[in-house]
Amino acid sequence: GESVGLHLPTLSVQEGDNSIINCAYSNSASDYFIWYKQESGKGPQFIIDIRSNMDKRQGQRVTVLLNKTVKHLSLQIAATQPGDSAVYFCAETFRRALTFGSGTRLQVQP
Amino acid sequence: EPEVTQTPSHQVTQMGQEVILRCVPISNHLYFYWYRQILGQKVEFLVSFYNNEISEKSEIFDDQFSVERPDGSNFTLKIRSTKLEDSAMYFCASNQGGTGNEKLFFGSGTQLSVL
Repeated sequence: GESVGLHLPTLSVQEGDNSIINCAYSNSASDYFIWYKQESGKGPQFIIDIRSNMDKRQGQRVTVLLNKTVKHLSLQIAATQPGDSAVYFCAETFRRALTFGSGTRLQVQP
Repeated sequence: EPEVTQTPSHQVTQMGQEVILRCVPISNHLYFYWYRQILGQKVEFLVSFYNNEISEKSEIFDDQFSVERPDGSNFTLKIRSTKLEDSAMYFCASNQGGTGNEKLFFGSGTQLSVL
């Protein structure tokens, strides 16, 4: 079946460095993608989204890139801070059902 | 900022018992959702609800599950006869829906433990 998955389960970076979290999706009909951040014991928190008719979108310190040719999504976090430590999920939307990937844990080393 | 609220934060129940998880979605939202997350795993879609009926549901959402919007503010998930494998964090979410308003807002979850 269709699935959304992540390349790396854990990413460790130094404080101040840039982080890149990757995601592969397989449902070519998905038209909307979101990155969520989840801290321990909390619900997913929206970070940034992108529609399928775009290839890049920037927010505050975050950028999402979408490559529909290879069905790849990435989240770039600039100047990573300790507060960015969390699990990051990509998610795709098809027919109003949001499907999550398996998550990448980002660890920020001081 | 408005938020989705869920009660209780923790629920412990015996296998075979019924549980009701409660959610208050954001007031001007029209679409409501339940997701669950088994410990250490990804967040899984259960059901979406719009205009007082289910619009989508996953294979997980079998006859033991039901949803209801009993009044203008609450949205509930009922599990009729809980099983051990129903133990998970259950998240409620809502959005306004429609193009440009798909962003889901999640509650903090209810941790369900079935003993």
